[in-house]
Amino acid sequence: KAGVTQTPRYLIKTRGQQVTLSCSPISGHRSVSWYQQTPGQGLQFLFEYFSETQRNKGNFPGRFSGRQFSNSRSEMNVSTLELGDSALYLCASSHSSSNYGYTFGSGTRLTVV
Amino acid sequence: AQSVSQHNHHVILSEAASLELGCNYSYGGTVNLFWYVQYPGQHLQLLLKYFSGDPLVKGIKGFEAEFIKSKFSFNLRKPSVQWSDTAEYFCAVNPTNDYKLSFGAGTTVTVRA
Repeated sequence: KAGVTQTPRYLIKTRGQQVTLSCSPISGHRSVSWYQQTPGQGLQFLFEYFSETQRNKGNFPGRFSGRQFSNSRSEMNVSTLELGDSALYLCASSHSSSNYGYTFGSGTRLTVV
Repeated sequence: AQSVSQHNHHVILSEAASLELGCNYSYGGTVNLFWYVQYPGQHLQLLLKYFSGDPLVKGIKGFEAEFIKSKFSFNLRKPSVQWSDTAEYFCAVNPTNDYKLSFGAGTTVTVRA
């Protein structure tokens, strides 16, 4: 069974640009969550999608957005990149119920220069 | 909002020593509890999880954790560590039927051969 797939693995962007990250969940998983991991702030929740609807959102500015497609794949977009957006962005997928737990992908390492 | 605190930032021990990592959370309702491990250069992997039932849960690689509801704690233990247990360990919590995982800051465990 394939795991959670995130693309690309690495990205280097310039301040002010925008970026789109992709996540393909485990087959059958309908919930997709995104997290930002930095040395200073640790792991922070960005948002969660289920059946193309955002069900929960963390405390991030509006520059961070996401969406989910009918096949449960999800994308995350960050506009007007800032140096502080440099981080590892993790995607996690789960069954419809939170009781199943979350499986994480390897992440996308974003560096903003 | 719930918060998760992990007692130790960095733990150093020798092979065959016992390991216990503390985790406390602040949330008054029913929660799901998780321990994740991140080996160097690898993605987050689920060690074990607690949803309900027996408060002593066993996970992979000889790890176990005990949920003590009265203390809002979910401590991780391993009787005898190996060099390969060197990793960062994260405790995570989400209220039942809420899909937002709140993570602790993580504990880096270094096992010396």
